[in-house]
Amino acid sequence: AQTVTQSQPEMSVQEAETVTLSCTYDTSESDYYLFWYKQPPSRQMILVIRQEAYKQQNATENRFSVNFQKAAKSFSLKISDSQLGDAAMYFCAYRSPQGAQKLVFGQGTRLTINP
Amino acid sequence: NAGVTQTPKFRILKIGQSMTLQCTQDMNHNYMYWYRQDPGMGLKLIYYSVGAGITDKGEVPNGYNVSRSTTEDFPLRLELAAPSQTSVYFCASNPQGYNSPLHFGNGTRLTVT
Repeated sequence: AQTVTQSQPEMSVQEAETVTLSCTYDTSESDYYLFWYKQPPSRQMILVIRQEAYKQQNATENRFSVNFQKAAKSFSLKISDSQLGDAAMYFCAYRSPQGAQKLVFGQGTRLTINP
Repeated sequence: NAGVTQTPKFRILKIGQSMTLQCTQDMNHNYMYWYRQDPGMGLKLIYYSVGAGITDKGEVPNGYNVSRSTTEDFPLRLELAAPSQTSVYFCASNPQGYNSPLHFGNGTRLTVT
């Protein structure tokens, strides 16, 4: 079974600076999808960015980008020019193309933005 | 197009009571899921369904039951509620195809006292 590990329970960053959230995963599959979700205090689950394993190019969405290292099974999220609205829980998730295509989540990282 | 709708938003149960968490989606998605999120933790899969009439257990199914009589609805039943079931419950759906993101409901906060 696949597992996802986020080793940073909490992170903080100054407004306008850059922060990187770590994620590692374990799988024997060669094709899969990886996601980062944001959960603000409203508890809504918001998709931030996604990466297909067979694509070597790292995904980018405005101020959010990933560093995908397939051999190392690492999938970190970089937030540039941090804004107060970025404060939230961030979850890394793995999705297999097999079966019911369930999402497997990491434990989450709570990000605080200091003004 | 309402997406995934969960009811109720909040509920307090006494130990031993039962209740059903409702989930409905209007996107004609085949795949539906129930997750629970304990305080400060990630989401864990309770049950899932790949279509009407087909359900299966996830990682933490004990104390729960589901049914999927229609494509739209995927209710989660708690029998004999226990304090360990205090959590936030999320329903999600997805069209068949693993490259599309899950559509989540807004969650139900359940407290068992």
